[in-house]
Amino acid sequence: KAGVTQTPRYLIKTRGQQVTLSCSPISGHRSVSWYQQTPGQGLQFLFEYFSETQRNKGNFPGRFSGRQFSNSRSEMNVSTLELGDSALYLCASSLVLGSTDTQYFGPGTRLTVL
Amino acid sequence: SQKIEQNSEALNIQEGKTATLTCNYTNYSPAYLQWYRQDPGRGPVFLLLIRENEKEKRKERLKVTFDTTLKQSLFHITASQPADSATYLCALPSDNYGQNFVFGPGTRLSVLP
Repeated sequence: KAGVTQTPRYLIKTRGQQVTLSCSPISGHRSVSWYQQTPGQGLQFLFEYFSETQRNKGNFPGRFSGRQFSNSRSEMNVSTLELGDSALYLCASSLVLGSTDTQYFGPGTRLTVL
Repeated sequence: SQKIEQNSEALNIQEGKTATLTCNYTNYSPAYLQWYRQDPGRGPVFLLLIRENEKEKRKERLKVTFDTTLKQSLFHITASQPADSATYLCALPSDNYGQNFVFGPGTRLSVLP
């Protein structure tokens, strides 16, 4: 079974631009979560989608948004990029979050904001 | 909100020794706790899950304990090998619905040959 895939793997943007990241979960998984990882803050939860609905959101500004499609693929968008948005963005899929199901992480998208 | 501390940012041990990593949490006691391994430039990989009613869980050379009174989990790697060098993260659900996970800052383990 193929793992979680994320595209692109690397991205360089400038301040003020916007970016869209994509995540394809493991086949059959309906829950997709997004995380931001930085050296200073560690791994922080952004939001989680299940069956195209955002069920939970972390403590991030509204510039961070996401969506999930009917095939469970998910995208996250960051608008008006700031230097502090430079990070590794990880998505994780699971059968159904909210149980003890394991989260499977993708390799991440490394975003650099100049 | 839930906060997690892991004993040290970095831990160096000699090959063959047992590595012990600590995860302490505040606030409510979660129904379960997870441990992940992360290698540089990669996403975390799930290792073990332990439930609140389980005192100990083992998987090959890995052992996890969960003390809900102390609000602490210990993660042990016995007979450590250089290939075990990585960052280890503990994670737990931030609420009873488990839809929002909180991760610890991680401990970077280096196993020296």
